[in-house]
Amino acid sequence: AQTVTQSQPEMSVQEAETVTLSCTYDTSESDYYLFWYKQPPSRQMILVIRQEAYKQQNATENRFSVNFQKAAKSFSLKISDSQLGDAAMYFCAYRSGRRGNEKLTFGTGTRLTIIP
Amino acid sequence: GAVVSQHPSRVICKSGTSVKIECRSLDFQATTMFWYRQFPKQSLMLMATSNEGSKATYEQGVEKDKFLINHASLTLSTLTVTSAHPEDSSFYICSARGGSGYEQYFGPGTRLTVT
Repeated sequence: AQTVTQSQPEMSVQEAETVTLSCTYDTSESDYYLFWYKQPPSRQMILVIRQEAYKQQNATENRFSVNFQKAAKSFSLKISDSQLGDAAMYFCAYRSGRRGNEKLTFGTGTRLTIIP
Repeated sequence: GAVVSQHPSRVICKSGTSVKIECRSLDFQATTMFWYRQFPKQSLMLMATSNEGSKATYEQGVEKDKFLINHASLTLSTLTVTSAHPEDSSFYICSARGGSGYEQYFGPGTRLTVT
């Protein structure tokens, strides 16, 4: 079974600074997808960024980028120019690429606080 | 696009009664829907996966007779918590996947309180 580990229960960053959230995973599969989701106080899950395992290039979405290290099974999220609206719980998630096995396995989450 | 709604957003019910939560994909056809449960300050735990027109697949440890899931159409799945007890109080979230896409779109969640 796949597992996802987020070793930082809480992180804080000064507004406008950069912060990196860590995520490691364990799998024997070669085809899979990785995601970072944001859950603000409203509790609505919002997709931040996704990475296909077969792509070597790290995904980037505006101020959000990932450092995907497939051999090390690491998938960290970097948030640049942090804004107050970035404050939320961040969950790393894994999805198998195998057809018929589309469920998401989530890490335990990292609570990000933005310091004004 | 890709909006998923849930109804109700909050529900309070008495112990022993049943409560139904609806999950709808508003602008796409959801071939697969997922039901998650989230306890306070914890992660999302998958309860079951449902495909339109077929029986749901439950995760280990989830009582299928207690948590009834129906995915009768490509835009609607329902979760019925039968004979609810206080320990069933939680935040329930659904997500939906359409067609051949791999992304899941999440509903806003339903907070269930059993008194």
